[in-house]
Amino acid sequence: DTEVTQTPKHLVMGMTNKKSLKCEQHMGHRAMYWYKQKAKKPPELMFVYSYEKLSINESVPSRFSPECPNSSLLNLHLHALQPEDSALYLCASSPFINFYNEQFFGPGTRLTVL
Amino acid sequence: DAKTTQPTSMDCAEGRAANLPCNHSTISGNEYVYWYRQIHSQGPQYIIHGLKNNETNEMASLIITEDRKSSTLILPHATLRDTAVYYCIVRSYYGGSQGNLIFGKGTKLSVKP
Repeated sequence: DTEVTQTPKHLVMGMTNKKSLKCEQHMGHRAMYWYKQKAKKPPELMFVYSYEKLSINESVPSRFSPECPNSSLLNLHLHALQPEDSALYLCASSPFINFYNEQFFGPGTRLTVL
Repeated sequence: DAKTTQPTSMDCAEGRAANLPCNHSTISGNEYVYWYRQIHSQGPQYIIHGLKNNETNEMASLIITEDRKSSTLILPHATLRDTAVYYCIVRSYYGGSQGNLIFGKGTKLSVKP
């Protein structure tokens, strides 16, 4: 299984809602990533987990809260988001953090904040 | 910031070779050149990477100049399904944040019948 899955595919939420995005991989990868992609822009790195520990946080606002409960699962908890947070949220995984590894990307969750 | 410069867009006729250039004049000795592509509304997909030798796989070939300041991704027989944004990324082979994937604006390749 060489696939990264993300749920849900689409999400609409209000600014006072709390929601979560889920990412899963069963390739035995020990590094997992969250990226944010605004319309017509390239993906931007948000967080990197290595061996279930947060390794890199690219100065992301606290309304985004990542969680890695086990080596196969990565969550992104969302709370009090703003309309400008509407974007495609991409998850990726790789065998180890960054070093010489290709990253496998999921299809993304398209988030709309009203 | 991205360390690469790519044309904004290119067209290619179906069945012909697509040659996508990338400039990375400030590349350092410990940095690889990676190529990813992103088909509309999908996640990015790894294509190929190289350090200084030319590389080929089932998807594409990568030609890196001798001074390593530029490279060309070649799709030998482009199909309509190759229409995508192609990202050239320079990336350290050391770990940590030096190995982050930093996406630039990429080249929008349109393959036309």
